[in-house]
Amino acid sequence: EIVLTQSPGTLSLSPGERATLSCRASQSVSSSYLAWYRQKPGQAPRLLIYGASSRATGIPDRFSGSGSGTDFTLIISRLEPEDFAVYYCQQYGSSPLTFGGGTKVEIK
Amino acid sequence: EVQLVESGGGLVQPGRSLRLSCAASGFTFDDYAMHWVRQVPGKGLEWVSGITWNSGSVGYADSVKGRFTISRDNAKKSLYLQMNSLRVEDTALYYCARDRRFTAFDVFDIWGQGTMVTVSS
Repeated sequence: EIVLTQSPGTLSLSPGERATLSCRASQSVSSSYLAWYRQKPGQAPRLLIYGASSRATGIPDRFSGSGSGTDFTLIISRLEPEDFAVYYCQQYGSSPLTFGGGTKVEIK
Repeated sequence: EVQLVESGGGLVQPGRSLRLSCAASGFTFDDYAMHWVRQVPGKGLEWVSGITWNSGSVGYADSVKGRFTISRDNAKKSLYLQMNSLRVEDTALYYCARDRRFTAFDVFDIWGQGTMVTVSS
C-alpha cells in the first residue's frame, strides 16, 4: 500500500497569499496518478487536480499541480475566501487507492 | 443535475449488518465505475471499495475485505454496500463517489453528501 504524507498539517495564510501544499508518497506513484481534492466544512470533497497537473472541470487556474515519482505539490496562487478548507491528495496508480492525511489551510 | 444520494445509514450494534444504497441521477450510470469512501468525523478520507461499470472488477480496502461487499444495479442506477460483522471502527460518514473512468479505478469526480454509520452497543 502506498502511504501518502501531506505537509504541513496546517497552513495559516491571509486571503490573496500563495499556498504551497506538499504530498509525499512512500513509493513511486506510477504515471503520476496523483489527485488533489478540496473539502470545505460540512461538504463532500471536490476534485481539483488529476494526473498530478490537470485541472478538473470548472477549477480556476489559480490552482496548479506539479510533481512526479514520490513528490507532488499543489499551489494556490492567490487564496480566495472559499479556499480556506482541508486539502487531500490521493493516489490511483495502485490498489488500494489511498489518501493523504490532509492539510488544513486556515485564515491567519 | 448530476447527483448521488446515499441512504441506509444509522445506529447498529457491533457484529450486526447494514446495507447502504446510493441512487444516481443526471448521468449515464453504467458509463462509470463507482466507489464508497468513508470519513470519520473530523478525520481524513479512506477509500472503502470500488466496482467497475459492469461489476467485472471490484476492490476493497484491507480493513473491510471479507466483511463488506459492493454491488451495483445498472437498471436501477444504484450502488450498494453490504456491511457485515460491523466494528466500532467502521463508524464514519460513508460517501458514494463516481469514478472518472468506467474500466479502472481512478479519481472521484462526483460525490454524494454521505450517510452516517454509527457502530455502538
